[in-house]
Amino acid sequence: GAVVSQHPSRVICKSGTSVKIECRSLDFQATTMFWYRQFPKQSLMLMATSNEGSKATYEQGVEKDKFLINHASLTLSTLTVTSAHPEDSSFYICSAPTGAYEQYFGPGTRLTVT
Amino acid sequence: DAKTTQPPSMDCAEGRAANLPCNHSTISGNEYVYWYRQIHSQGPQYIIHGLKNNETNEMASLIITEDRKSSTLILPHATLRDTAVYYCIVRSRSSGAQKLVFGQGTRLTINP
Repeated sequence: GAVVSQHPSRVICKSGTSVKIECRSLDFQATTMFWYRQFPKQSLMLMATSNEGSKATYEQGVEKDKFLINHASLTLSTLTVTSAHPEDSSFYICSAPTGAYEQYFGPGTRLTVT
Repeated sequence: DAKTTQPPSMDCAEGRAANLPCNHSTISGNEYVYWYRQIHSQGPQYIIHGLKNNETNEMASLIITEDRKSSTLILPHATLRDTAVYYCIVRSRSSGAQKLVFGQGTRLTINP
């Protein structure tokens, strides 16, 4: 099946710094990608929809100035957590649909803010 | 998109069939039933989807009731590697409606 990669897989940063997470579709083009956040023992929560060539669409309650999304090409979307705080520590997962039916997920990025 | 209800957890013996139920009583005519699973600390994995007919692939079978208000995912011969959280998601196939909204899912544990 299609492959979606994320980089880095794990990152530890200090409070107040910014962290960028990359999501790539390796063998298909994706005009849309999705970013999710998952806290321990909880389900995935959709944060935003990343749109190639236009602004991202954020879900209610997600701060667009804190979670910057850039969909620079048809195979790359980035999520930047700005001025990270310990409460931003989470598992961040991206996904990309390959058509009307299937959607492939990246392996996730575990962010720890100290 | 219609909301789904799943049992929070289930256990199954290795080698037996695992039957995971999902209720989606408010499903509308153009909405599909999707199943994904998430193994610990990994991204979700697509399993199967269907509209109204039963579906089967190399991973699982999906049985949808005639009124489409519920479905069952069947893993015919469960292995230890099938231990995961299984999510039943209902969504429209219309263009632009590609985002997936995850519920709490069912934590399936396969026991040796």
